[in-house]
Amino acid sequence: IAGITQAPTSQILAAGRRMTLRCTQDMRHNAMYWYRQDLGLGLRLIHYSNTAGTTGKGEVPDGYSVSRANTDDFPLTLASAVPSQTSVYFCASSDLAGGNEQFFGPGTRLTVL
Amino acid sequence: GQNIDQPTEMTATEGAIVQINCTYQTSGFNGLFWYQQHAGEAPTFLSYNVLDGLEEKGRFSSFLSRSKGYSYLLLKELQMKDSASYLCASLDSNYQLIWGAGTKLIIKP
Repeated sequence: IAGITQAPTSQILAAGRRMTLRCTQDMRHNAMYWYRQDLGLGLRLIHYSNTAGTTGKGEVPDGYSVSRANTDDFPLTLASAVPSQTSVYFCASSDLAGGNEQFFGPGTRLTVL
Repeated sequence: GQNIDQPTEMTATEGAIVQINCTYQTSGFNGLFWYQQHAGEAPTFLSYNVLDGLEEKGRFSSFLSRSKGYSYLLLKELQMKDSASYLCASLDSNYQLIWGAGTKLIIKP
């Protein structure tokens, strides 16, 4: 692993299904983030974690949950997907003591039908 | 409220110079970031300004005026590979990034 990875790359999901998007980083960054990116809108923060064991809500948290059991992994779960959750999801990480630059994963393109 | 404004789209000619403006209004301010995002790819870091003035990095420069809530990204000697979206983001008082919608830059030969 080099940097930050996400899985799957893309997914088509039926409405009402549960889905977990995976994110792993090997940079030992303390902070991790989940964003969604929709056409014409800026990146919007869903949830974040400043350190393992803690999480916080971002701008658009409803319908999503996260966990941070260790430094490297930060999965995002959609408990019951709805079509409005169709988006591109980016995971990012940063070293809060090192300048706050965020490094992004390649993204997951999710379509909910 | 929090708001980041930048133009939706700009067009420039290969070899020329282009300036992409960004105005921000956020609860607290801990710096201004610029990212580049090619179509279908993840954003990548370009620059970070926390003090007033110009930061130069090769063909790219970024300027910040904290009193005016204003920044710009200057791209010189434009190349076709510079065709991308450029995202402005302000780091607020909670050290969260507030993002603009991005400026799509189209480079013509």
